Formats: sequence, structure tokens, C-alpha cells
Amino acid sequence: EVQLVESGGGLVQPGGSLRLSCAASGFTFSSYDMHWVRQATGKGLEWVSAIGTAGDTYYPGSVKGRFTISRENAKNSLYLQMNSLRAGDTAVYYCARVLPYSRAFDIWGQGTMVTVSS
Amino acid sequence: DIQMTQSPSSVSASVGDRVTITCRASQGISSWLAWYQQKPGKAPKLLIYAASSLQSGVPSRFSGSGSGTDFTLTISSLQPEDFATYYCQQANSFPPITFGQGTRLEIK
Repeated sequence: EVQLVESGGGLVQPGGSLRLSCAASGFTFSSYDMHWVRQATGKGLEWVSAIGTAGDTYYPGSVKGRFTISRENAKNSLYLQMNSLRAGDTAVYYCARVLPYSRAFDIWGQGTMVTVSS
Repeated sequence: DIQMTQSPSSVSASVGDRVTITCRASQGISSWLAWYQQKPGKAPKLLIYAASSLQSGVPSRFSGSGSGTDFTLTISSLQPEDFATYYCQQANSFPPITFGQGTRLEIK
């Protein structure tokens, strides 16, 4: 079964750091671009970061310089290192796989909750 | 950044109704448009990619159309399981990827 499972969410103080993980199974992880997308409670979807199969990375302005996406193909794992966290980063974080040649997300994890609060 | 505007923000409909949701891009995005369905507490589910291609396993009552700046998602005959929130997403101008604000489909 093709699956993505996130972990690492939790409660962190403003200014703190957190590392999210996404474990992939059921497909050749190294062959797919991967992304992180977040959703604040009751709000819409917001793209957070992307990493290509060659390790190229992309970020929106809202997280650039604070978040780092990485992958470890040998472990079928995707990561999101989040530093200098703010209250506005509070959200459910999803990892998602890109359907080849479509730039659409065909497989999503169940999400992990990140709460930034003192 | 390209802005995606969905309309309506919410719609009430009955089982068996035909429903159309619109997504407008602030500039042309060719056919780099996807549609997702999201139910409460669940991850989004891909319905349509490349504006009109039906994702594998998605019922044929869902269809997408459009190119350039104006796109539509149509559900031909609403089923009880279709009541959810729907999002459009563009990836023509990447980065960033941007989503519409969502359309909530409620039971009348």
C-alpha cells in the first residue's frame, strides 16, 4: 500500500525548533518530488516547501530562511526542520507526493499537528 | 504570486443535484490546475489534475474543465459522500504553489 506517515509534531514555544518526519512506503521514494503543505485550524491549505528528486529545494517567502526541507532516500524519509517558530506557524502539517508530470499531490499523509504557544 | 479565487465560498445542494464550483487565477496558468476534496479531520484527496484529467479511482461524476485563468469543477449528481470542502491549486508558476480559499459544499 502506498502510504505517507508524518511524525514529530507537538507543542513548542515561540522562537523554538521542531523537526517533522514523513515515512514513505509502497513506492520508490527516490523517484518522486515531495512537498510539505500546512493547514491552520479552520483555514485553507498553504504550501510550505518542496524538494525534487535531485535534492533541489523551494520555499515560499513566509518560511524561507526558517524552514529546511530534506530527504534521505535510503530511509524513504522526508524531513522538515522548522526554526524560529511563530504563532502563525501553528497548523497541521502534511507531507505529499507529486503525481509525475502533473504538479498535483496524489498521495498525502494523515498530518501532524504543530502548536506554537507559550 | 498567482492568486486563486474560488466561487462560491459555500454552496448548499441536495443529493442528485448538479453542482459547479469555479476557480479563477490572477494570471494565466495554462492547464496546471488541480482539484481536491477534503472532509473534516482528513487529508485532502486529489480529484482532478491538469485541469480535466480524472485521478484514478475517482468517480466519473466528477469532471473538470478550463484553461488559462478560468476553471470549473462539476459534480454531475451529488452523492451523500460528496459533501465536503473543495480546493483548487495552481502550479504553473512554481514556486510558489497556491491554493484557492476553498468551497464548502453543504447539504440543503
